[in-house]
Amino acid sequence: NAGVTQTPKFQVLKTGQSMTLQCAQDMNHEYMSWYRQDPGMGLRLIHYSVGAGITDQGEVPNGYNVSRSTTEDFPLRLLSAAPSQTSVYFCASSYSRPGTSGSSYNEQFFGPGTRLTVL
Amino acid sequence: GENVEQHPSTLSVQEGDSAVIKCTYSDSASNYFPWYKQELGKRPQLIIDIRSNVGEKKDQRIAVTLNKTAKHFSLHITETQPEDSAVYFCAASRPPHGANNLFFGTGTRLTVIP
Repeated sequence: NAGVTQTPKFQVLKTGQSMTLQCAQDMNHEYMSWYRQDPGMGLRLIHYSVGAGITDQGEVPNGYNVSRSTTEDFPLRLLSAAPSQTSVYFCASSYSRPGTSGSSYNEQFFGPGTRLTVL
Repeated sequence: GENVEQHPSTLSVQEGDSAVIKCTYSDSASNYFPWYKQELGKRPQLIIDIRSNVGEKKDQRIAVTLNKTAKHFSLHITETQPEDSAVYFCAASRPPHGANNLFFGTGTRLTVIP
């Protein structure tokens, strides 16, 4: 059970290039999300998916596309990279299950992250 | 949308002392409040969470309190140890997607001095 995996770990792009950040999970989780983490700004939600074929925008979706053709995979595409997209990108997955009061039943599992630099 | 503010941004304590980190949120519909710990170069990991139908939750040396009326929640770490040194993030979310659509605070860098 590998959990949430991301590739690549590091990437350098030139302005205007496109690329896809890969994310996969083997826990059969319904929900998957992409966050970016910038210094002093915490993590911000880019896009999320509540199941195969269903995606929605988060807090900062501009410049990114996603698709969810399978339960396991949730790739993030940068259409035309810009220096403002230099960041660490985290993919996360979780599942929804009933729980008792105060219990942890929607824990998000984060991948190891991809550090992206756009020159 | 939701706005989560977190204070302080940095916190230094002596080993064995307590540490308290505070967060406020703006959306009264938010009902799930997790706390994540992130060590340098690592992924965030959930350490404790609380739902809006509970006022306090404790797990060994870590506790979280929630005041829905004032819209703030706090993380309390007692008997701090050097391995508690990390960046801590609070977050909030609301229905319908709950924990899958989190709004994070800006983080608190906790340093425990041996």
